[in-house]
Amino acid sequence: SQQGEEDPQALSIQEGENATMNCSYKTSINNLQWYRQNSGRGLVHLILIRSNEREKHSGRLRVTLDTSKKSSSLLITASRAADTASYLCAIVNQAGTALIFGKGTTLSVSS
Amino acid sequence: DTEVTQTPKHLVMGMTNKKSLKCEQHMGHRAMYWYKQKAKKPPELMFVYSYEKLSINESVPSRFSPECPNSSLLNLHLHALQPEDSALYLCASSQDGTTDTQYFGPGTRLTVL
Repeated sequence: SQQGEEDPQALSIQEGENATMNCSYKTSINNLQWYRQNSGRGLVHLILIRSNEREKHSGRLRVTLDTSKKSSSLLITASRAADTASYLCAIVNQAGTALIFGKGTTLSVSS
Repeated sequence: DTEVTQTPKHLVMGMTNKKSLKCEQHMGHRAMYWYKQKAKKPPELMFVYSYEKLSINESVPSRFSPECPNSSLLNLHLHALQPEDSALYLCASSQDGTTDTQYFGPGTRLTVL
């Protein structure tokens, strides 16, 4: 399968803690993207990291990419209850013809 | 304006009905997409329009018919659907193509009776 596989499937933490989610994939990629989805709603784009990049930051988010291991991680620092959502990674294949989503990690942040 | 709008928000239809889903963006994006998402599953790509031309059709049944009247609008015409077609239908757009960031609409929740 080309799709990303997130790990863990579910994560429960307290407010203020950091949350780390991982994504592994099997094919060569053009880029990898992380999205957030609140229950039953549309997706919100978080970060796009290209295959020649190793790390990107956006506010409390940090994404790393290791193309040799075909894996990426999303770190959310100082989590808030509002961060409760599903987080999906999506890979764009090298040909740039498709964006393929993984199943996601469900994050629950309790106050 | 970084918004993609979708109408209706909810749709209930019988298997003999004909209905349409509508998607609109005013970001000047030239690529638009339809995805289908079943409960607790990731979104699955259905169609891609690039510069108003259908560029990708992921072997979607003919009861789903996409249309791109102009660069800002994307429709999905539905006819003779099956109950298993009930899902959240998401529209997205991006600047040029699939290598760019995609901006998603809130989706249309479709129920087929």
